[in-house]
Amino acid sequence: SQQGEEDPQALSIQEGENATMNCSYKTSINNLQWYRQNSGRGLVHLILIRSNEREKHSGRLRVTLDTSKKSSSLLITASRAADTASYFCATDEHRGSTLGRLYFGRGTQLTVWP
Amino acid sequence: SQTIHQWPATLVQPVGSPLSLECTVEGTSNPNLYWYRQAAGRGLQLLFYSVGIGQISSEVPQNLSASRPQDRQFILSSKKLLLSDSGFYLCAWAGTGNQPQHFGDGTRLSIL
Repeated sequence: SQQGEEDPQALSIQEGENATMNCSYKTSINNLQWYRQNSGRGLVHLILIRSNEREKHSGRLRVTLDTSKKSSSLLITASRAADTASYFCATDEHRGSTLGRLYFGRGTQLTVWP
Repeated sequence: SQTIHQWPATLVQPVGSPLSLECTVEGTSNPNLYWYRQAAGRGLQLLFYSVGIGQISSEVPQNLSASRPQDRQFILSSKKLLLSDSGFYLCAWAGTGNQPQHFGDGTRLSIL
């Protein structure tokens, strides 16, 4: 299937450290997106990187995409306790479809200790 | 600005009872709409999506159905709930094409 898979499943770090999460997928994509989910809440879109882009920044977030390896990474720099959440990658279908169907991984649970 | 409302936030229902979860979007027109289910500690499973009024596509066979009676209203229903229908249900909308999806706050459904 197209579903992305995040690695690691869980990550525990101290405030101020950097957090790196990885995502692998199986087939060609138009873009890859990262989402964040606080416990018991809906997902919040963080960043979208297109298949022709290699790196993208948004505040303390840095996303890379390697289409040859079918992988992406999300780096959160100088983490804060408020960054504690689950992080999901989502890939689309490279079929020219306008349906916007996304395939989500199981997520990485990030815990940042104060 | 666009907003998405999903209710109720929590719901406890007996096995065999009916279900109706509602999702509405404001501030946009003709959105793509999605219903997902999330099991504890798992990713999201797409249940239904809709590209327009009355147009519903189902991803997996199940005990649930969806309807889109108005452009910005998406309803998830069941005639008879099963224990396996328990979970966290999320509604989302997106513009056409490969746009980011915007999620509601979800409904925690517990079946007793």
